Amino acid sequence: DGGITQSPKYLFRKEGQNVTLSCEQNLNHDAMYWYRQDPGQGLRLIYYSQIVNDFQKGDIAEGYSVSREKKESFPLTVTSAQKNPTAFYLCASSAGNQPQHFGDGTRLSIL
Amino acid sequence: AQRVTQPEKLLSVFKGAPVELKCNYSYSGSPELFWYVQYSRQRLQLLLRHISRESIKGFTADLNKGETSFHLKKPFAQEEDSAMYYCALLESSYKLIFGSGTRLLVRP
Repeated sequence: DGGITQSPKYLFRKEGQNVTLSCEQNLNHDAMYWYRQDPGQGLRLIYYSQIVNDFQKGDIAEGYSVSREKKESFPLTVTSAQKNPTAFYLCASSAGNQPQHFGDGTRLSIL
Repeated sequence: AQRVTQPEKLLSVFKGAPVELKCNYSYSGSPELFWYVQYSRQRLQLLLRHISRESIKGFTADLNKGETSFHLKKPFAQEEDSAMYYCALLESSYKLIFGSGTRLLVRP
C-alpha cells in the first residue's frame, strides 16, 4: 500500500561522505518522524517534525540533519559525523495524536 | 525516565498454543500504549492500541496500571502470527518510545 515512500531501499556510504535518505508521504499528515532500528534495540527516534519548517531532535540526533520544507517530504541526511551509520532507517508520519504509519525503510551500509 | 521493556527477545510456541508477549512500562502520567507488528518483508504496522480496547487478529492487550504492564495475548497461536512485535508508549503528543521487540515464532 502507498502512503509513505522511502527511497532508496539500500544505500552505501563511503568514509567522509554525507548521504540523504528520502521520505515522502501523501497522507496529508502534519507530523513526520525518522527512526533508527538496530538489532536488539528496537526503534530509536532521530528527529521529528510536527509542522512544515519546524523540527525537533529526538534521542539520537547527533550526526544527522533534516529539513521540512514541504508537508509531504522529510529527508534525512546522515553526515560524516555519524560514526556508526550502519542501520535500518524508518520514516513515519501521523495526523495529530493518531497512530504513526511507517514506510518500508532504507538499509544503510558502509563501504 | 519513560521506558518500555520487552524482556523476551524470542518467544517460540507451537501452533494452537496460547501466546503472551510481555511489555512493561514506566511513565509518570496516564499512559497510551500500542502494539506494532512487523511481518517478514513487510513494513511495521499498528496491531492495536489500548484505548481502542479491540481484538485484532485474535490478539488482545489489557493495560494493567498496577503492574505497569500491557501484555499482548492470543489464546491459540497460528503460524502466520510469526513476526516481530514491538510495544510502544506515547510519551507526548507525538513521541513514541519503543521497546526492543520480541520475535514470535509459531512452529507447526
